[in-house]
Amino acid sequence: EAQVTQNPRYLITVTGKKLTVTCSQNMNHEYMSWYRQDPGLGLRQIYYSMNVEVTDKGDVPEGYKVSRKEKRNFPLILESPSPNQTSLYFCASSLSWGNTEAFFGQGTRLTVV
Amino acid sequence: AQKVTQAQTEISVVEKEDVTLDCVYETRDTTYYLFWYKQPPSGELVFLIRRNSFDEQNEISGRYSWNFQKSTSSFNFTITASQVVDSAVYFCALSESQTGTASKLTFGTGTRLQVTL
Repeated sequence: EAQVTQNPRYLITVTGKKLTVTCSQNMNHEYMSWYRQDPGLGLRQIYYSMNVEVTDKGDVPEGYKVSRKEKRNFPLILESPSPNQTSLYFCASSLSWGNTEAFFGQGTRLTVV
Repeated sequence: AQKVTQAQTEISVVEKEDVTLDCVYETRDTTYYLFWYKQPPSGELVFLIRRNSFDEQNEISGRYSWNFQKSTSSFNFTITASQVVDSAVYFCALSESQTGTASKLTFGTGTRLQVTL
């Protein structure tokens, strides 16, 4: 089954404690991206990757890091989480950069206290 | 810069009513793509439709229909004979064609649809 898998689904952490949210897709997609969803703001892109070892900033990259060492995986790293990063996070993948539908993971609800 | 506006924050209808969700976009590109996604209460994002800027044909899929009008930069979504299962947040999104770089999906802020019995 074609899917994007995020882990964990829920996470509560404390300010400053490094964390990683994993994302994996099994569709051999080249393009992957991370979004955060906040009330009244819709989804905003954090980072994207066009292929292995190719990543770039989206609209709200501050406080986040990503890596793309393998085609299927695109982890999101918060080196020093802060309360303003409390949000719902989605990983997405698509066959190409914008003219095909994006497949989204189930979402990760992160709370930073 | 590209922008998507969904002016309706929340809509409540009674089952079997028709409802239209509005989407207005801004872009300087001549080639772009428009999408609608559904986010049910369970939280996942479900792809509904994609439309490219050269195809202004309206589309119907069961109770769903989409009206794309370049003249007004709108891509509205109508649900006919709404059902409780249609209750969700609906997002309109825009992707531009950018040579040499990756485009991104720019989302509207979403419209929450509540369908009651």
